[in-house]
Amino acid sequence: KAGVTQTPRYLIKTRGQQVTLSCSPISGHRSVSWYQQTPGQGLQFLFEYFSETQRNKGNFPGRFSGRQFSNSRSEMNVSTLELGDSALYLCASRLDSDEQFFGPGTRLTVL
Amino acid sequence: AQSVAQPEDQVNVAEGNPLTVKCTYSVSGNPYLFWYVQYPNRGLQFLLKYITGDNLVKGSYGFEAEFNKSQTSFHLKKPSALVSDSALYFCAVTGPSGGYNKLIFGAGTRLAVHP
Repeated sequence: KAGVTQTPRYLIKTRGQQVTLSCSPISGHRSVSWYQQTPGQGLQFLFEYFSETQRNKGNFPGRFSGRQFSNSRSEMNVSTLELGDSALYLCASRLDSDEQFFGPGTRLTVL
Repeated sequence: AQSVAQPEDQVNVAEGNPLTVKCTYSVSGNPYLFWYVQYPNRGLQFLLKYITGDNLVKGSYGFEAEFNKSQTSFHLKKPSALVSDSALYFCAVTGPSGGYNKLIFGAGTRLAVHP
């Protein structure tokens, strides 16, 4: 099976802009989670989607949002970008209660 | 609240020697515990997990971990380290308060294996 894919792999934006990141889970996986990785804060949970519904949410401002489509593909959106949003954004998919499988990430740089 | 501690920022070991990367956790209820590894400019790669059953868990690439409920620990071990094991290792936990779908990660431990 193909692994989790994320697009784009690299992105450069300026403050105030918005960005949309995409994630395609492993075939058959209905759960998709998003994490932010920064040198200062480490790996932090953003949210999880299952069958197009947000099932859990981390402690991030409302500028961070996501959605999941009927084919389980997911997008996350960050509006009004801030310098501190520069990070590696990781998507993970899983089957039921099994381990999460991570994609390669999207590295976002905000200038 | 759920939390994970990895007390060592870096572990140095000589190739061929055994290695241990430490992890302790705090969670209400029965924990699900995981180890992941991250190579430079890559995502996280799953190594092993403890859900229930035998306290000694064997995973990928010769790694294993022992679940110790009384000490709330889940240390990662390998009998003989390879230079190619050098990477960033993350311990993670999830539990009932997070619906078993929210991973809480430790800060990570950088493993350096020297020839």
